[in-house]
Amino acid sequence: GAVVSQHPSWVICKSGTSVKIECRSLDFQATTMFWYRQFPKQSLMLMATSNEGSKATYEQGVEKDKFLINHASLTLSTLTVTSAHPEDSSFYICSAASSSTQYFGPGTRLLVL
Amino acid sequence: GIQVEQSPPDLILQEGANSTLRCNFSDSVNNLQWFHQNPWGQLINLFYIPSGTKQNGRLSATTVATERYSLLYISSSQTTDSGVYFCAVHRGNTPLVFGKGTRLSVIA
Repeated sequence: GAVVSQHPSWVICKSGTSVKIECRSLDFQATTMFWYRQFPKQSLMLMATSNEGSKATYEQGVEKDKFLINHASLTLSTLTVTSAHPEDSSFYICSAASSSTQYFGPGTRLLVL
Repeated sequence: GIQVEQSPPDLILQEGANSTLRCNFSDSVNNLQWFHQNPWGQLINLFYIPSGTKQNGRLSATTVATERYSLLYISSSQTTDSGVYFCAVHRGNTPLVFGKGTRLSVIA
């Protein structure tokens, strides 16, 4: 089946630093990838839709200047959390679309101190 | 947008018991998926089931698209079935919209 990887799997950083998270589709090409955020004991909330070669589409309430998304190739999308603050601590999950099915990465746990 | 409601929100089962999880959605959809999120956060795709019935081992799922609901059946539950079960739907090329999940605890 389709495999999606994320790197890093967890990261701890100081407040004010930037963190980049990579999402890769390993055995298929994905023109569209999605970034979700999940707070403890809550559901997954869509942050943005990432389209290869074009600007990402952000959901209402998600700051595009804070969460920078780059989808430079058909197998890689990156999410950069700029000037991270403790309230950005969360579980970030990406998914890549193949036909009408979304395949999810293992997630990245971000802790901002 | 589409609303997805799951019930029950929490469920505690004795090992060996059967259970049914429900997912209601507010509009017609092209795709419905059931996921199991394990304690490490990994989403495991259980079923891609926009309509009809599918079975995989002790799990089966049924989606009645015309009535906008889906059911996930877990038979002979095991402690490893514990975790959160999510239903997610979408239409066309829109991203999956998730329900709030059912948190299942299976006790020995």
